[in-house]
Amino acid sequence: AQSVTQLGSHVSVSEGALVLLRCNYSSSVPPYLFWYVQYPNQGLQLLLKYTSAATLVKGINGFEAEFKKSETSFHLTKPSAHMSDAAEYFCAVSGISSGSARQLTFGSGTQLTVLP
Amino acid sequence: KAGVTQTPRYLIKTRGQQVTLSCSPISGHRSVSWYQQTPGQGLQFLFEYFSETQRNKGNFPGRFSGRQFSNSRSEMNVSTLELGDSALYLCASSLEGGRGYTFGSGTRLTVV
Repeated sequence: AQSVTQLGSHVSVSEGALVLLRCNYSSSVPPYLFWYVQYPNQGLQLLLKYTSAATLVKGINGFEAEFKKSETSFHLTKPSAHMSDAAEYFCAVSGISSGSARQLTFGSGTQLTVLP
Repeated sequence: KAGVTQTPRYLIKTRGQQVTLSCSPISGHRSVSWYQQTPGQGLQFLFEYFSETQRNKGNFPGRFSGRQFSNSRSEMNVSTLELGDSALYLCASSLEGGRGYTFGSGTRLTVV
């Protein structure tokens, strides 16, 4: 069984400030982990993914995330927020084995607001 | 390289009707998954197809069905529509599933 918890349904930061979006996962098998971003009336865009290589993963638009197995966490960070980062962010997990583990299980999402 | 294409983008249907949504995956991708997104339930997995076979199914009633064609294009069908079926339906494609998925822009279904 897989599950994802995103702490904080709404996060506000000032432009230029650090962005930190939290994600904790539960998985009975070694996981693949993903962060997606969704802009209004659009689909999901992949920001970055962890697939058991380096634990610090760099993604698009200056985002990065660190896989910490001991903490079962995969928090998303960006050193300096930009107005264009305002969107909803989803953390997701899938397993690497066959069957149901292959599906993505999403967290409930975090709406990021960037204040001028 | 073309992305995942979903048609139509918007759809309005009446309760009791049925609807078919279409998804064209990225060229070469053989896995197509469908997700339902609602404000109340969030993103939920519907089903996954690979090489024309349903490999995995989420916890949805039998009114929700799908299929995949030999060119990997997929359709999902919802019969006897209910108001609660109003949602954004997202399609995602992958080479073989698991390592990464590319999503389409979705079909916004409104049931009135």
